[in-house]
Amino acid sequence: DAGITQSPRHKVTETGTPVTLRCHQTENHRYMYWYRQDPGHGLRLIHYSYGVKDTDKGEVSDGYSVSRSKTEDFLLTLESATSSQTSVYFCAISPQGAGGANVLTFGAGSRLTVL
Amino acid sequence: RKEVEQDPGPFNVPEGATVAFNCTYSNSASQSFFWYRQDCRKEPKLLMSVYSSGNEDGRFTAQLNRASQYISLLIRDSKLSDSATYLCVVNSGNQAGTALIFGKGTTLSVSS
Repeated sequence: DAGITQSPRHKVTETGTPVTLRCHQTENHRYMYWYRQDPGHGLRLIHYSYGVKDTDKGEVSDGYSVSRSKTEDFLLTLESATSSQTSVYFCAISPQGAGGANVLTFGAGSRLTVL
Repeated sequence: RKEVEQDPGPFNVPEGATVAFNCTYSNSASQSFFWYRQDCRKEPKLLMSVYSSGNEDGRFTAQLNRASQYISLLIRDSKLSDSATYLCVVNSGNQAGTALIFGKGTTLSVSS
């Protein structure tokens, strides 16, 4: 299996608190992504990174920020968690970008509940 | 916006059955297509890419119909272990992969 781990795997927090999810990869892939998955929706892109310190917004970026200070780590921060951010968050990696024939490899997911 | 649509199912089939899923997409400029499999409470994993000429991997066959803008997945001789949700994924040509659109998934349940 690809070396991609997410932490924490489960978290319960309260509205208004900051939360940081971590994605760590050992594959040296250039591209990293954060998705959220909710019932009734397909996976939706939050933010992505195409290199160290190079990040950009996805479809549902409001309320989220990211940082990538090292190739292997991509952090997702919820600045002030809201109940609408209760979701399962997946990190994914791709060597050259998930366009064309390149595919995504996903982490095991982080299940976040905001009370 | 419904750029990628799948029948959510569930499809309930007995072992050994043949089952087919379709997925329609709205962007005619879409360039690459995939089927991912997602087990309950697990991450999605690539099942197969879908090529213009159609492709087969064991019991699984994927086909693309650009004229009608749909892709299909055929599973022959279904196994209990095929029970999962199958996600259709369409890329509208962005190399960074930020234009990947995921369908909501089709759930398959194979019973003995």
